[in-house]
Amino acid sequence: DTAVSQTPKYLVTQMGNDKSIKCEQNLGHDTMYWYKQDSKKFLKIMFSYNNKELIINETVPNRFSPKSPDKAHLNLHINSLELGDSAVYFCASSQTAFWGYTFGSGTRLTVV
Amino acid sequence: GNSVTQMEGPVTLSEEAFLTINCTYTATGYPSLFWYVQYPGEGLQLLLKATKADDKGSNKGFEATYRKETTSFHLEKGSVQVSDSAVYFCALETSGSRLTFGEGTQLTVNP
Repeated sequence: DTAVSQTPKYLVTQMGNDKSIKCEQNLGHDTMYWYKQDSKKFLKIMFSYNNKELIINETVPNRFSPKSPDKAHLNLHINSLELGDSAVYFCASSQTAFWGYTFGSGTRLTVV
Repeated sequence: GNSVTQMEGPVTLSEEAFLTINCTYTATGYPSLFWYVQYPGEGLQLLLKATKADDKGSNKGFEATYRKETTSFHLEKGSVQVSDSAVYFCALETSGSRLTFGEGTQLTVNP
C-alpha cells in the first residue's frame, strides 16, 4: 500500500495548457504539502494544508492553485503553463514536522 | 531567518570509503534536524533525525550528531556502498510544520 501517491508520474504538455496533479495519503496525517524541485535538485515549498485549511502559501504565481477536498487529498492545478514550470513536483504529508515528512514519488512536469 | 547550508557536491567515493557530508544551520530556538535521501527517480525518504542538542540519529550505518555549539549536523558513514549513491538533503524543522531543506549533495559511489 503506497503511503503517499501522486498521479500522474509524468506529464508532458504544451505552453498555455492547464493541468492538474493529484495527491492522496493513507497515513492519517493532518498536514500535506507541495514542493517543487528544480533541475539542480533544489526543493522549494509551495503550499501546505492542515486539515483542509491553507497554512503555508509561499510566493508562487497565482496560476498555481491547490485544493484540498479532505485531509487525505491535496491536488495542484496549474493554469497557463509556462516553460519555467518544468520541474518535479512532490507531494508530502506529516503528522507534525517534528516527526518528518513522507514524500510521494514525484510528478515530472515538462512544458514544451 | 532559518536556513540550512550543505557542502557542495558532487561527491565521488570508492566503495568502502569514509563519507562525511557537512551541514550547518541557522535557526532560532532548537529545531529538530533531519537527513533525507533521494534515490534516482524516487521521492525523498527520511534517513535519520535528531531532536535536541547532542542527540545522535542513526540508520543504515549513517550517523549524524546534533551539535548546538557549532550549529552543525554532519552526516557520516564508515564504509559506503554502491547502493548509497543518491542525493542527500539536510533539513530543519521551522515553525508552522515546515521543513527547510539544504541544497542537496549528490553522492556517487564507484565499485
